[in-house]
Amino acid sequence: GQQLNQSPQSMFIQEGEDVSMNCTSSSIFNTWLWYKQDPGEGPVLLIALYKAGELTSNGRLTAQFGITRKDSFLNISASIPSDVGIYFCAGQLRSGSRLTFGEGTQLTVNP
Amino acid sequence: DARVTQTPRHKVTEMGQEVTMRCQPILGHNTVFWYRQTMMQGLELLAYFRNRAPLDDSGMPKDRFSAEMPDATLATLKIQPSEPRDSAVYFCASGLVLGGGRRPYEQYFGPGTRLTVT
Repeated sequence: GQQLNQSPQSMFIQEGEDVSMNCTSSSIFNTWLWYKQDPGEGPVLLIALYKAGELTSNGRLTAQFGITRKDSFLNISASIPSDVGIYFCAGQLRSGSRLTFGEGTQLTVNP
Repeated sequence: DARVTQTPRHKVTEMGQEVTMRCQPILGHNTVFWYRQTMMQGLELLAYFRNRAPLDDSGMPKDRFSAEMPDATLATLKIQPSEPRDSAVYFCASGLVLGGGRRPYEQYFGPGTRLTVT
């Protein structure tokens, strides 16, 4: 079946630094989604990508849908303490089908 | 604002007992998903429904788990009998699938039910 490899598994950074994380897949996806999960809460959708090569921003977050359709990247600029949490990528083969999730990246931001 | 709601938020039960978790999807959404999250396995899809009909429940242990949508505003996930290995956080997510080749939808998650089976 499809597998998503997300890296890094964890990151410890200083407030103000930029962050990059990525996901790679063994097969093609038609949609990539990025979620953030805070402790005790459900994942919250950050960015959705629908087209290969697409670059989409949401405030300080920017995500890209890889040209090969097998990878995606999330960048966070000028990190702040409330960026702390677990970030998940998820791929979807077609509209309304199941999501396949990456293992998550645990982000810690030191003030 | 519109949100997915789940009840209960926490459940502690003894092995062998029946557990029922409930989800109210966002009004107007036509697709409901049940996920389970554990440290070891991460987020796993258990089952999902479109317009109340089950589309895929291949991720669910059939002998003890069952998922239903009695109506468009309620989805249930039942475990009978429960086992300690069922301890996890169970998430419901909903979304709207539009036909006619329009843009794919996003899934919105509820806060989860944390289940502990002793």
